[in-house]
Amino acid sequence: DAGVIQSPRHEVTEMGQEVTLRCKPISGHNSLFWYRQTMMRGLELLIYFNNNVPIDDSGMPEDRFSAKMPNASFSTLKIQPSEPRDSAVYFCASSLAGDVTGELFFGEGSRLTVL
Amino acid sequence: AQRVTQPEKLLSVFKGAPVELKCNYSYSGSPELFWYVQYSRQRLQLLLRHISRESIKGFTADLNKGETSFHLKKPFAQEEDSAMYYCALTRNYKLTFGKGTLLTVNP
Repeated sequence: DAGVIQSPRHEVTEMGQEVTLRCKPISGHNSLFWYRQTMMRGLELLIYFNNNVPIDDSGMPEDRFSAKMPNASFSTLKIQPSEPRDSAVYFCASSLAGDVTGELFFGEGSRLTVL
Repeated sequence: AQRVTQPEKLLSVFKGAPVELKCNYSYSGSPELFWYVQYSRQRLQLLLRHISRESIKGFTADLNKGETSFHLKKPFAQEEDSAMYYCALTRNYKLTFGKGTLLTVNP
């Protein structure tokens, strides 16, 4: 397995544009997480899906952010409209719910720069 | 609310020296704690978990409930240990990370 796959790896866009980040979790994993990493705030959980259903989106900063998981092998995180303060590295991670080890498997991240 | 504090953003040691990365937590129940590591140009990955009481790459971490700490230790640091280290706490599904400590091991 190639692990969690994210795209794009890098995105540079202008303020006001729509940004879509994509994630393919590890096959067989039924939990998916989106995290945002910044220098100031570290790693913050944005949203958590279990069996494709959003369980906790309390970390989503505002209505400009939305996330979907239409099937077990694909998820998107969308920012519309984007703002410079959204610049960060966005990580997707997956795990097997109920795994007592609690291990998350991370993608390589999508580095977003909003000018 | 659960919280993880890593007081040091940066830590620099020489090769062969002992290293301790500090982690304190606040949590009302019985915590499950982890250390994750991110080497340069690699994915964030699990290093060790307290429940396993294991030693990985020479690192150990002991949960001290009295001091609410889960410090990561290694008696003799190696250059390849240079990385970003994150302490994390989980309750059910939610993994809460500290802000991380960048460890640099100098030759």
